[in-house]
Amino acid sequence: GENVEQHPSTLSVQEGDSAVIKCTYSDSASNYFPWYKQELGKGPQLIIDIRSNVGEKKDQRIAVTLNKTAKHFSLHITETQPEDSAVYFCAASRSSARQLTFGSGTQLTVLP
Amino acid sequence: GAVVSQHPSRVICKSGTSVKIECRSLDFQATTMFWYRQFPKQSLMLMATSNEGSKATYEQGVEKDKFLINHASLTLSTLTVTSAHPEDSSFYICSASTQGAGNQPQHFGDGTRLSIL
Repeated sequence: GENVEQHPSTLSVQEGDSAVIKCTYSDSASNYFPWYKQELGKGPQLIIDIRSNVGEKKDQRIAVTLNKTAKHFSLHITETQPEDSAVYFCAASRSSARQLTFGSGTQLTVLP
Repeated sequence: GAVVSQHPSRVICKSGTSVKIECRSLDFQATTMFWYRQFPKQSLMLMATSNEGSKATYEQGVEKDKFLINHASLTLSTLTVTSAHPEDSSFYICSASTQGAGNQPQHFGDGTRLSIL
């Protein structure tokens, strides 16, 4: 089955700096890679996703890059704000409608 | 759009009680719903996948007689934790998606915090 590894487990940045979280996956058939933000006591919220037919996708301050050959993908958050502080999870799947395999999560803290 | 509502948000009950958790897709038809379990400071672990009108598919190690899943309509799935014990205390989260042309992303409910005394 799929195995997703996520690094780092914790990340602290100063407000305004950039944050990068990296994930690797094992199943070469995976072609859908979403990122979720989870705030304390809440369910995960989809913030961006990418499919294997593109290498990069951007939405305002958030971008995701995908290297299918190396089987890794990354989340980039620019101009970080305190409200970006949360746990971020990457995931991989063979389809957006099929089961997701999650990474272990990254606790991002943005220091004011 | 794509709102998933989960109820209740928190349950505290005595050992031996059965607890039912509802997951509803409010503005779309969910052909597939997923149930996850999350322990503190850990990732989400898939428990089972349910398709409307058919039996749920459970992940290895998840007892189907312990965690009863019903997906009777395209907008509602329920998870019943039968005869719950303290080790069943956890955060249970559902997600919903729609298959077909333009597969939609999974959207998650806000979870149910289950505490068994």
